[in-house]
Amino acid sequence: AQSVAQPEDQVNVAEGNPLTVKCTYSVSGNPYLFWYVQYPNRGLQFLLKYITGDNLVKGSYGFEAEFNKSQTSFHLKKPSALVSDSALYFCAVRDPNGGYQKVTFGTGTKLQVIP
Amino acid sequence: EAQVTQNPRYLITVTGKKLTVTCSQNMNHEYMSWYRQDPGLGLRQIYYSMNVEVTDKGDVPEGYKVSRKEKRNFPLILESPSPNQTSLYFCASGDRDSRQETQYFGPGTRLLVL
Repeated sequence: AQSVAQPEDQVNVAEGNPLTVKCTYSVSGNPYLFWYVQYPNRGLQFLLKYITGDNLVKGSYGFEAEFNKSQTSFHLKKPSALVSDSALYFCAVRDPNGGYQKVTFGTGTKLQVIP
Repeated sequence: EAQVTQNPRYLITVTGKKLTVTCSQNMNHEYMSWYRQDPGLGLRQIYYSMNVEVTDKGDVPEGYKVSRKEKRNFPLILESPSPNQTSLYFCASGDRDSRQETQYFGPGTRLLVL
């Protein structure tokens, strides 16, 4: 069975500093990996995905993520955090051998950017 | 504007009183899904639908029903709500034939069952 872990419930970072939100996964075969963001009182919004190709994926709002197969990780990063980046971030994984609907989400990491 | 809408956004009800949460998308997506979000548990899939009249259980289907009579609509039905169904519910849609692999989420429905 596939799974995804977000080991940190909350990450605090000062505005202007680099940020990292961690995600590790478990799936048979090569995974499809996603990051979604949820702002207060809003639904989830797609940030970026890794399907195949370059291990460094660039997404919306200046975010990027690095796929590391040996460490089974897909950490979300941004070089310089903004206060407006404060939100709840979800990592998700899909086994490409499973159906399109078989996406498993992590428990979420709350990012707090401190002015 | 491409969007997924849910109604109502907030709902307080009592145990056993049937309720329906509607979900509609205007993107002609074949795939639609319902999730519930609970603290510490993340998003868990309740039911999904790959097309009209095609639905299947997700990870936590007990106590819920769905129907997909039209492509754009995917209502979630709680026949006899219980307090453990108090949660934040999200509907999502996606184009299953696309390589985009992206889901589009509604704004959420916060349900309190007393």
